[in-house]
Amino acid sequence: AQSVTQLDSQVPVFEEAPVELRCNYSSSVSVYLFWYVQYPNQGLQLLLKYLSGSTLVKGINGFEAEFNKSQTSFHLRKPSVHISDTAEYFCAVRRNTGFQKLVFGTGTRLLVSP
Amino acid sequence: NAGVTQTPKFRVLKTGQSMTLLCAQDMNHEYMYWYRQDPGMGLRLIHYSVGEGTTAKGEVPDGYNVSRLKKQNFLLGLESAAPSQTSVYFCASRGGNTGELFFGEGSRLTVL
Repeated sequence: AQSVTQLDSQVPVFEEAPVELRCNYSSSVSVYLFWYVQYPNQGLQLLLKYLSGSTLVKGINGFEAEFNKSQTSFHLRKPSVHISDTAEYFCAVRRNTGFQKLVFGTGTRLLVSP
Repeated sequence: NAGVTQTPKFRVLKTGQSMTLLCAQDMNHEYMYWYRQDPGMGLRLIHYSVGEGTTAKGEVPDGYNVSRLKKQNFLLGLESAAPSQTSVYFCASRGGNTGELFFGEGSRLTVL
């Protein structure tokens, strides 16, 4: 079975500073990896995904993530955050064969202050 | 441009009452899911469906039932609500194997 660990439950950062949200996964087989964002009182929407190919994945709103197979990590980064990036971010993993359920981490709340 | 629509968005129940949450998607997706979201626990899968007429249990199915009589609809039922079922419920759907999940805006349920 797959699992996801998001070690940071909350990350405070100042506007225009860089940020990294950490995600580590556990799986004995090849996986797909995702980052979702949830703005207050809304559903989740896809930020970016890694399926195969280049290990550096670019997503919406200037976010990017790097798949590191040896460290089983998929950390999310942004070089300069905005107040509007304040939200909860979820990392998720799924096996890449057949029908498989998506397993979510517990989420990281990004708090951007002026 | 509806995507995934959940009704109702808010509901308050008394312990022991029953209710049904409706999820409708207009993207012709095969796969549909019901999750619950609780503070500090992320999203946990309740039930899912791989196509019309099929349902399967997720990781927290107890106390819930589901039905997928039509491809576009996925219903989540609570037969006898308990305070432990106070949560925000999200429906999601997915197309192909590499497709992303599309989420509804959530249904906030409070059981007193």
